[in-house]
Amino acid sequence: AQKVTQAQTEISVVEKEDVTLDCVYETRDTTYYLFWYKQPPSGELVFLIRRNSFDEQNEISGRYSWNFQKSTSSFNFTITASQVVDSAVYFCALKAPMIKAAGNKLTFGGGTRVLVKP
Amino acid sequence: SQTIHQWPATLVQPVGSPLSLECTVEGTSNPNLYWYRQAAGRGLQLLFYSVGIGQISSEVPQNLSASRPQDRQFILSSKKLLLSDSGFYLCAWSVRSGQAYSYEQYFGPGTRLTVT
Repeated sequence: AQKVTQAQTEISVVEKEDVTLDCVYETRDTTYYLFWYKQPPSGELVFLIRRNSFDEQNEISGRYSWNFQKSTSSFNFTITASQVVDSAVYFCALKAPMIKAAGNKLTFGGGTRVLVKP
Repeated sequence: SQTIHQWPATLVQPVGSPLSLECTVEGTSNPNLYWYRQAAGRGLQLLFYSVGIGQISSEVPQNLSASRPQDRQFILSSKKLLLSDSGFYLCAWSVRSGQAYSYEQYFGPGTRLTVT
């Protein structure tokens, strides 16, 4: 069985501070995909990034960066110089194995609520 | 480009009344479709998924049902709502076949259901 754990339920920061969201996953499959989603107050989940298990290279997109470490089964997400618009719930998700399967379901973590204060 | 629609956006229904939530996807064909529920302040719970017309898989036994009468239409229903059915319902789609097979799911705007 697969599992995704986001131990931080809520993080509060002041604008311009950096914030790192932890994601730890469990799977017996050797190939898999990892995802991050953002859920702003409006409610719609927005896809942010997908990484596959073969590629441990960190990725940066603007103020967002992701650190993937297979050795610790972690896929952490950092927001640099946070802004009020970053306030949202962030979900980490796992799809294992990488190959096609019935429904191609994702396993989601419980989410981390980020509150950025002005 | 692909878009996903859900309606209604909000709904207040009394206990015991029926429910019908609709989800449609545009700009893609043969998608996998999903219904999720999110209770207030909680994570996502997968309710149903569908890999094709008329093909529904249930993840959680409850008084809800789903149907897929057309390729890009997914409906969530109930004959009699319970208080515990209150929540935020999200529809999502993902690519099911073809070269762009990357598994991420794209979500609709959601329906906020309050059962009174």
